Amino acid sequence: GENVEQHPSTLSVQEGDSAVIKCTYSDSASNYFPWYKQELGKGPQLIIDIRSNVGEKKDQRIAVTLNKTAKHFSLHITETQPEDSAVYFCAASTYDGGTYKYIFGTGTRLKVLA
Amino acid sequence: EAGVAQSPRYKIIEKRQSVAFWCNPISGHATLYWYQQILGQGPKLLIQFQNNGVVDDSQLPKDRFSAERLKGVDSTLKIQPAKLEDSAVYLCASSPWTSGGSGDTQYFGPGTRLTVL
Repeated sequence: GENVEQHPSTLSVQEGDSAVIKCTYSDSASNYFPWYKQELGKGPQLIIDIRSNVGEKKDQRIAVTLNKTAKHFSLHITETQPEDSAVYFCAASTYDGGTYKYIFGTGTRLKVLA
Repeated sequence: EAGVAQSPRYKIIEKRQSVAFWCNPISGHATLYWYQQILGQGPKLLIQFQNNGVVDDSQLPKDRFSAERLKGVDSTLKIQPAKLEDSAVYLCASSPWTSGGSGDTQYFGPGTRLTVL
């Protein structure tokens, strides 16, 4: 079946450094790629997304890049802060049978060390 | 704009008991999803509704799980009887569903943490 692989599973960085999380998807029909941040005891919160007709998108300290040929996309967080510590999930969405189907990665636990 | 609401937030039950979760999506959102999130894993889709019709329930353990979305708004997810392996966070999400633009953007509720003893 279709799947999304996410790496690394854990990531520790010093405050102020950059963090990069990578995902690879298998369904070439996927055309929407959101990233979610999940804090302890809360539901996933959308932080940035990218569509297949765009190669890169940036929002302040967060950026996402997409390589459709290689079927992978990455989340980049610059100038990390302690409040960036959370679990991050990538997802790939495909329009199928009149609705949108999502497959999620397994998550990356990011720890920003003060 | 109010977000996705879920209740209860926490539930502890004994195995073989029944439990029900409730979700109220964002107003006007046509698509509603129920996910199961086991500790340390990503969300796994259980069932997806478009208005009040089921569009995908292929991963729903139908011998014990059921869900409904009456009138295309609120939804309930039921487990009967519960097993130890059902311990997880149950997330509800909704999206507006339009054929283009951001119709597929998904918004999550806070989840219900279920513990089965």
